[in-house]
Amino acid sequence: QSVLTQPPSVSAAPGQKVTISCSGSSSNIGNNYVSWYQHLPGTAPKLLIYDNNKRPSGIPDRFSGSKSGTSATLGITGLQTGDEADYYCGTWDSSLSGGVFGGGTKLTVL
Amino acid sequence: QVQLVQSGAEVKKPGASVQVSCKTSGYTFTTYGISWVRQAPGQGLEWMASISSYNGDTIYAQKFQGRVTLTTDTSATTAYMELRSLRSDDTAMYYCARDPRLTRESVPNWFDPWGQGTLVTVSS
Repeated sequence: QSVLTQPPSVSAAPGQKVTISCSGSSSNIGNNYVSWYQHLPGTAPKLLIYDNNKRPSGIPDRFSGSKSGTSATLGITGLQTGDEADYYCGTWDSSLSGGVFGGGTKLTVL
Repeated sequence: QVQLVQSGAEVKKPGASVQVSCKTSGYTFTTYGISWVRQAPGQGLEWMASISSYNGDTIYAQKFQGRVTLTTDTSATTAYMELRSLRSDDTAMYYCARDPRLTRESVPNWFDPWGQGTLVTVSS
């Protein structure tokens, strides 16, 4: 059971937009920055979003992040087949004094 | 470019210990921390611990307290993770990742980049 809650799967057609939610509490998302990762099988996870809504160099602006209260959202526009992957949200939990991740969301581009 | 290269796969028996190394390059080692994250087969990501490469300060997930030790070798720009008293449910891919934590007051709130992963298999 993950501390952060994500939908197990989402799907959309190529070119469309999808959002992935991440729900937490005041001890984690509510008072700490959120980051998002893309994980393709057999590769290392890749940072997509940090500090709630910032993109590292090299990440296209098709990827966006937002946070409101104790929830965060990853948005992906202009979906491509190469975006098929597992996506994880992560943050710090002040009560646990540790990093926490969501359970992951599998994105299928139909 | 920033790179983290981990040591190779390990097979261990229950009760044994394993040490995984993470050789970094492409940045000033002492200006970032290193976190360790694992993924068991079919499971999600699990944060284990973080070490400040600046002052060696460590923070461990409650689940791993007493069983994991993080160290760094600044001259070799390498971080190490030792996990002891291995059990079958420790079978997982273990990743190191650079994080922004430098002092006790700061937190590792992002991880970038990640090493390629080290598969640790625990089996009798």
